[in-house]
Amino acid sequence: SQTIHQWPATLVQPVGSPLSLECTVEGTSNPNLYWYRQAAGRGLQLLFYSVGIGQISSEVPQNLSASRPQDRQFILSSKKLLLSDSGFYLCAWSISGPMGEQYFGPGTRLTVT
Amino acid sequence: QKEVEQDPGPLSVPEGAIVSLNCTYSNSAFQYFMWYRQYSRKGPELLMYTYSSGNKEDGRFTAQVDKSSKYISLFIRDSQPSDSATYLCAMKEYGNKLVFGAGTILRVKS
Repeated sequence: SQTIHQWPATLVQPVGSPLSLECTVEGTSNPNLYWYRQAAGRGLQLLFYSVGIGQISSEVPQNLSASRPQDRQFILSSKKLLLSDSGFYLCAWSISGPMGEQYFGPGTRLTVT
Repeated sequence: QKEVEQDPGPLSVPEGAIVSLNCTYSNSAFQYFMWYRQYSRKGPELLMYTYSSGNKEDGRFTAQVDKSSKYISLFIRDSQPSDSATYLCAMKEYGNKLVFGAGTILRVKS
């Protein structure tokens, strides 16, 4: 069966510090991978998605970036965090193709102070 | 107007009640419909996945899609306190990205 991991689970970072969140998927090959942000009491905002190694599409202009160095690894980064970057960050995967439903990881709660 | 509208609640019901959760949408090209359950401080969990109009049942859960009215529902029978969570609807066109509702908070009181 497939499993998706995210770490760290929680993170408190000062404004202006860098960020690196990691997501890995087990039990599947060539998945589509997604990064979402969920602000308190709000819906899910798609940040990035990837259909393959090195292929990243950005949905929202911001100071975040994403990379996919391996087939089942997806990384979310920032060089300098802003207060507005606080939120719950979720990684998801789906099978490749146009119809796949998405499965979410446990999430990382980021607080920028 | 948002593409997907979902009442944020909270919806409070007594244990054993039938719960009805709903979403409306404006994009007639949506073909795939999903319901996710999200417990506090956890990632969303896929509950139901349906294609096109009609009903789909899984245990105590029934997903209903009415494409003519652009309306989807999730029914929970014999609701339990463990069903207390936020329920997110999501939908997509063929090949496109998921569009989520804002989520409905459900509280089942024992």
